Amino acid sequence: EAQLVESGGGLVQPGGSLRLSCAGSGFTFSDRYIDWVRQAPGKGLEWVGRIRNKANGYFTQYAASVEGRFTFSRDDSRNSVYLQMNSLKTEDTAVYYCTGLLWATGPNYWGQGTLVTVSP
Amino acid sequence: EIVLTQSPGTLSLSPGERATLSCRASQSVTSTYLGWYQQKPGQAPRLLIFGASSRATGIPDRFSGSGSGTDFTLTISRLEPEDFAVYYCQQYGNSPPSTFGQGTKLEIK
Repeated sequence: EAQLVESGGGLVQPGGSLRLSCAGSGFTFSDRYIDWVRQAPGKGLEWVGRIRNKANGYFTQYAASVEGRFTFSRDDSRNSVYLQMNSLKTEDTAVYYCTGLLWATGPNYWGQGTLVTVSP
Repeated sequence: EIVLTQSPGTLSLSPGERATLSCRASQSVTSTYLGWYQQKPGQAPRLLIFGASSRATGIPDRFSGSGSGTDFTLTISRLEPEDFAVYYCQQYGNSPPSTFGQGTKLEIK
């Protein structure tokens, strides 16, 4: 069974840092673009950014709200993608999901999410 | 950035009825990159439709997607009790970057 599993969430103070992980199994992880999507409590979905696959140079894109503070990386040998979050703000509080995208099937793999709380 | 506007914000219907949800884009979206999701409380979103009209694996055929350009529609032909949830559209192309609509809540009348 294909799955994505996020980890690393928790409570952090404003201005702090946190690193999230997204591990895939049951599918060819290296083929997929990986997106990060977040959802603040009681709110809708917000696209955070994307890291492409090796064939596309591991190119990264970021939403304007996180540009310069968040960084994606991936290690296909570990079937994992990482989200380094720096200079965290209270408005970054959300459940963070990773999703796996193939153009042929769409973003059909989603993790269960990990909660990040930024609070004094 | 492409802004996706979903309507209505809330839709109140009864089981067995037909649901029609709209997603309008601020500029043309390549149909290949338009998706619809269902989200229930405490759960991750589930992909229903990709490429504007293709059902994802395991999705019942009462769910269908249509549209092109700036206007897209998700139709649920006959509502089942488990269909009451929040629905989101997303354009997931590379350029412009991906965005989501604000969601439509489908509630039991």
